[in-house]
Amino acid sequence: AQSVTQLDSQVPVFEEAPVELRCNYSSSVSVYLFWYVQYPNQGLQLLLKYLSGSTLVKGINGFEAEFNKSQTSFHLRKPSVHISDTAEYFCAVSVRDDKIIFGKGTRLHILP
Amino acid sequence: DAGVIQSPRHEVTEMGQEVTLRCKPISGHNSLFWYRQTMMRGLELLIYFNNNVPIDDSGMPEDRFSAKMPNASFSTLKIQPSEPRDSAVYFCASSSSAGAALAQHFGDGTRLSIL
Repeated sequence: AQSVTQLDSQVPVFEEAPVELRCNYSSSVSVYLFWYVQYPNQGLQLLLKYLSGSTLVKGINGFEAEFNKSQTSFHLRKPSVHISDTAEYFCAVSVRDDKIIFGKGTRLHILP
Repeated sequence: DAGVIQSPRHEVTEMGQEVTLRCKPISGHNSLFWYRQTMMRGLELLIYFNNNVPIDDSGMPEDRFSAKMPNASFSTLKIQPSEPRDSAVYFCASSSSAGAALAQHFGDGTRLSIL
């Protein structure tokens, strides 16, 4: 079975500072990996996805993530955050079937 | 291009009442998912359909919950009878292919409160 662990439930960061949200997964087979973002009172939106190929994946809103197979990680990064990035971020894994397993989420707080 | 549409956005009802949540997926999408989100348990997959057929309902918590997809453009999630522990935000999502992990599009959710 697959699982996803988001190591931080909350991450505070100053505006214009860089941020990294950590995600580790567990699977005995190859996986697809995703990051979704949830703004208040909204559903989840896809930020980026790793299916195969280049391990560095670029997404929307200036975010990127790097797939590291040896460390079973898929950390999300942004070099300079903005107040509008305040949201909850979900890492997710799938093994090529219809189901996605979501992590518990990381709340990103942007400090002025 | 309309996204996934859920109704109602908010529902408040007394325990024991029947609750019906509705979802209209994106046109042309053939997979539909129902999720429940709570602070304690996070985001849980309840059931998903492919081409209107339920594929996996192992996440449905108990017999009080049922879901249907009578056609490609409509699905319902019903709770009968409702209980306070069912209070949560319920999301519907759709995607365009089996092996639907490639991109799920979420609605804005129904916030359900059972008193």
